[in-house]
Amino acid sequence: DTAVSQTPKYLVTQMGNDKSIKCEQNLGHDTMYWYKQDSKKFLKIMFSYNNKELIINETVPNRFSPKSPDKAHLNLHINSLELGDSAVYFCASSQRWGSYEQYFGPGTRLTVT
Amino acid sequence: DQQVKQNSPSLSVQEGRISILNCDYTNSMFDYFLWYKKYPAEGPTFLISISSIKDKNEDGRFTVFLNKSAKHLSLHIVPSQPGDSAVYFCAASDGSGSEKLVFGKGTKLTVNP
Repeated sequence: DTAVSQTPKYLVTQMGNDKSIKCEQNLGHDTMYWYKQDSKKFLKIMFSYNNKELIINETVPNRFSPKSPDKAHLNLHINSLELGDSAVYFCASSQRWGSYEQYFGPGTRLTVT
Repeated sequence: DQQVKQNSPSLSVQEGRISILNCDYTNSMFDYFLWYKKYPAEGPTFLISISSIKDKNEDGRFTVFLNKSAKHLSLHIVPSQPGDSAVYFCAASDGSGSEKLVFGKGTKLTVNP
């Protein structure tokens, strides 16, 4: 039973394309996140949703748009992909807002050529 | 602007010995700290945490020490086992209720049999 799952695991695409990454958690958690791990290995938060409401929106280009259709899902859509978007994207969830322990998905390695 | 620093990119220890992983932070507003462990091709998994009101937290073979005056924390693993070989991330939160975790770059631990 995968707690936090992401699809796809790998994504190779060309510059200028639009792509989506899906995330689902079956833990019954209220809060979900998207992180980006760049080439320097830093994990940086991009977005956070609590009960489908956007709470954290870090300085991320507006080409990135998260969507939360329900509490269990948080998808990430990226428009007009650029070379610099190549990274590993991790979805995570936590039990409730204010709970620091976060459960991560396996990551999606995005390569933009 | 690295607020959480893990200055050792790698550490190698013998099985049965102690592993000590270090983390320094610069933001005096951080009041909750976590360690995550990450295996290749998986997402980070929560390991142990400590609040700034404590200076030590122990969970089995894992102990985290916090020195607030030095803005330093460390993770001790005793005894180290080959299965502990992974990348360890230190993370911190400023307790503002934002649930925003700031991560270090990670330290790759290798435990040799």
